This record gives sequence, structure tokens and C-alpha cells, in this order.
Amino acid sequence: EPEVTQTPSHQVTQMGQEVILRCVPISNHLYFYWYRQILGQKVEFLVSFYNNEISEKSEIFDDQFSVERPDGSNFTLKIRSTKLEDSAMYFCASSTGIRNQPQHFGDGTRLSIL
Amino acid sequence: QQPVQSPQAVILREGEDAVINCSSSKALYSVHWYRQKHGEAPVFLMILLKGGEQKGHDKISASFNEKKQQSSLYLTASQLSYSGTYFCGTEDNFNKFYFGSGTKLNVKP
Repeated sequence: EPEVTQTPSHQVTQMGQEVILRCVPISNHLYFYWYRQILGQKVEFLVSFYNNEISEKSEIFDDQFSVERPDGSNFTLKIRSTKLEDSAMYFCASSTGIRNQPQHFGDGTRLSIL
Repeated sequence: QQPVQSPQAVILREGEDAVINCSSSKALYSVHWYRQKHGEAPVFLMILLKGGEQKGHDKISASFNEKKQQSSLYLTASQLSYSGTYFCGTEDNFNKFYFGSGTKLNVKP
């Protein structure tokens, strides 16, 4: 069964540095998402992406964040000037875009800011 | 906006039943249910469409009351493997999707 893959599984970065989290969505999916989950808390929506542009973003997704689809397969989340509170699990998800179809999640990247 | 889930946490003995509720202040097009085990990604369970249908997945079923903008997840004869955090996700009529805050389910032997 096709799956969403995320790399790396764990990223440790010094505060103030930039990180890029990578995702390869399922190949025939058209909608891509990034979510954040701080340890022990709920899954928080960051951004959705369709047709090479952001379709929705939350209040969390400020100028510190950006997303890109640099080629036909990767979907990246860039976090600039990382802060301690950016430490979290970041999940990528994708869906076909057809209503009533589920989102498929990757295994996540654990981001630790020191 | 974000749906409200209740209860926040449930502790069960194996074989007991549980109900998890999800409600929204907005008109809904569909409700999704996911389960997340500790340290893992959320896994899709089922989607319910407006129309009040009920769906089942083994001994886990759900209903969706469109008029009340509520959905309930029913876990019957719970098994140890049911432990995890259950999230509902709601999709409104404008294609916007929000996850609830989750319900932690702990099934004990």
C-alpha cells in the first residue's frame, strides 16, 4: 500500500537555525498538509497545499514558516530562526482531494530545538 | 472552527464499552475519525457523511447527526489494542478541515 514518507525521523537543531523537513506524499494525491503536535497535545493544523500554492493556513503558520514543492515528488516545510517552542512532532499528510477521502499521514519528524 | 471532543480521557477494562463525542459549532459536510497510538502517526478509521449514516469498523462504529453537528464513536467490547488517542476531524461545507483536541483511551486488562 502506498504511504507518505517523511525524513528525517528525528532532527536536532540549535535555536536560531533553519530546518527543512521533507515529505514525499502518495503519488496520485493532490492535497498536501503539514501538522504539528507538541508532546502530549493535540494535532494542530499548519498549512494545506494544492496546485502549487497554499490553500489554507493556520495562525501558527506565520512568516517563520514556508512550504514548497520543489519537484514532482517532495513537499517541504521550512522553519526559519527556530525557537525552543518549535520543538514538536511534525506530520505530513496527503489526500486525493476528492471530498470524503481520508488524509494519509507520514510517521512524522521529531524536531528538537536546543 | 475546532470541534470539541468529550470526554478528554477514558479508562476502561478490557471488554467494556465507550463512547466518544465530537461536536462542532458549524454546519458539517463530513466527520473523520482517526486513532493515534503513542509515538505514532494518526491512522484513519472512518469517514461519515452528512445524512446521519452510521458506519462500522470491526467493533468500532460511529454515527453522525448532521442537524446537531455531532458525531459519536462507539467502541464495544474494547480490546487492549484500542488504547490510544482518538481524534475527530470535521470538514465544513467550504472544504475546511479541523481536528478535535483528542480523547485518550486507556484499556486495561
